[in-house]
Amino acid sequence: QVQLEQSGAEARKPGASVKVSCKASGYTFTNYGISWVRQAPGQGLEWIGTIRPNNGDTSYGQILQGRVHMTSDTPTSTAYMELRGLRFDDTALYFCARDTGSANGDYWGQGTLVTVSS
Amino acid sequence: QSVLTQPPSVSGAPGQRVTISCTGSKSNLGSNYAVHWYQLFPGQAPKLLIYINTNRPSGVPDRFSGSKSGTSASLAITGLQAEDEADYYCQSYDGSLSAWVFGGGTKLTVL
Repeated sequence: QVQLEQSGAEARKPGASVKVSCKASGYTFTNYGISWVRQAPGQGLEWIGTIRPNNGDTSYGQILQGRVHMTSDTPTSTAYMELRGLRFDDTALYFCARDTGSANGDYWGQGTLVTVSS
Repeated sequence: QSVLTQPPSVSGAPGQRVTISCTGSKSNLGSNYAVHWYQLFPGQAPKLLIYINTNRPSGVPDRFSGSKSGTSASLAITGLQAEDEADYYCQSYDGSLSAWVFGGGTKLTVL
């Protein structure tokens, strides 16, 4: 069955970087994109960006553009999302999702809590 | 301010029918981009409830249905159950932003 397993919770200080992983299983990794979405405490869902593992193409949302970098490793079927220059308002639950190609996510990781505090 | 507009909350008694609206614009729902719906429980991953306007993934009860017309879409839930109490989000693609866009979310309370 399709599963997306994310790395564990992270705590960082402002200005630091964090890299979250998303290991896919149960399907051909290169046949689907991986999208990243976050939810800040008490807030709604916010799209971060998408990576296409078959060719490495990425598209990023405007709000984090310039601070986010997505990569993928085909041999291990793992996608990564790195966020640099962390700010307090980057504190959120970060999710990866399998992008069906219709711009939606049909399977989701369990979420990774990133906490930014001094 | 979310690109797609949803009511902050809706409520209904068990067994009743509720609808959640989602309003977009020319650059997303009005450009024929599909709408998708997710169900969220606190601290959990979103669950895809409806995809491409009207389709239910396997395992989603047929009490949930979606529709779309022009720049608006809606999610209907019939035969409300206590377990339906959750947050619901609509999502689409915006051609001007080249981005997934979400509604602000609607909290469903089962009275």
